[in-house]
Amino acid sequence: AQSVTQPDIHITVSEGASLELRCNYSYGATPYLFWYVQSPGQGLQLLLKYFSGDTLVQGIKGFEAEFKRSQSSFNLRKPSVHWSDAAEYFCAAASNAGNMLTFGGGTRLMVKP
Amino acid sequence: DAGVIQSPRHEVTEMGQEVTLRCKPISGHDYLFWYRQTMMRGLELLIYFNNNVPIDDSGMPEDRFSAKMPNASFSTLKIQPSEPRDSAVYFCASSGIQGRRTEAFFGQGTRLTVV
Repeated sequence: AQSVTQPDIHITVSEGASLELRCNYSYGATPYLFWYVQSPGQGLQLLLKYFSGDTLVQGIKGFEAEFKRSQSSFNLRKPSVHWSDAAEYFCAAASNAGNMLTFGGGTRLMVKP
Repeated sequence: DAGVIQSPRHEVTEMGQEVTLRCKPISGHDYLFWYRQTMMRGLELLIYFNNNVPIDDSGMPEDRFSAKMPNASFSTLKIQPSEPRDSAVYFCASSGIQGRRTEAFFGQGTRLTVV
């Protein structure tokens, strides 16, 4: 079965520190990959996506993610976290055959001053 | 474009009542999705449409749930009768332009509380 796993439910980092959020997927073929962010009471906003090509993708708000086929991973990174980055982050995947997204369980990021 | 528009933003209803959630997708998008978000189960796909036709409704939890897309600019998700366990945030999303894949754009969600 197709699945997306985010191993970390909660992560706390200090403002200015670097961040890496983990995402692993299990699909028959390389899926399309996405990272979304959700602030409290809000909808999901796309941070970045990977369809093909360069395995390091840049997104909004200074985020980037690297696709690693050998590890079935698509980890999200940011070199210096800001207090406004506190939110819940969702990794998602879609197969070549369909457009529906399968989401990971989410990682809640807290930022210490 | 104003993005995906959902209404109402909040809905409180009594158990047994009918609830209708509404969604206006982004103009030109081919796909429309309904998701439900709960603490216990996270984000689950309920149903999705392609060019107004339901493609996969295997995520619809029970016959109490139904969804329609009468035209390209409007969809509804109906729960009849509603139960407290239906309390969740329901998201609508749309994607795809003329068969070309795009990311999914989400609405702000409808927070449903069934008491």
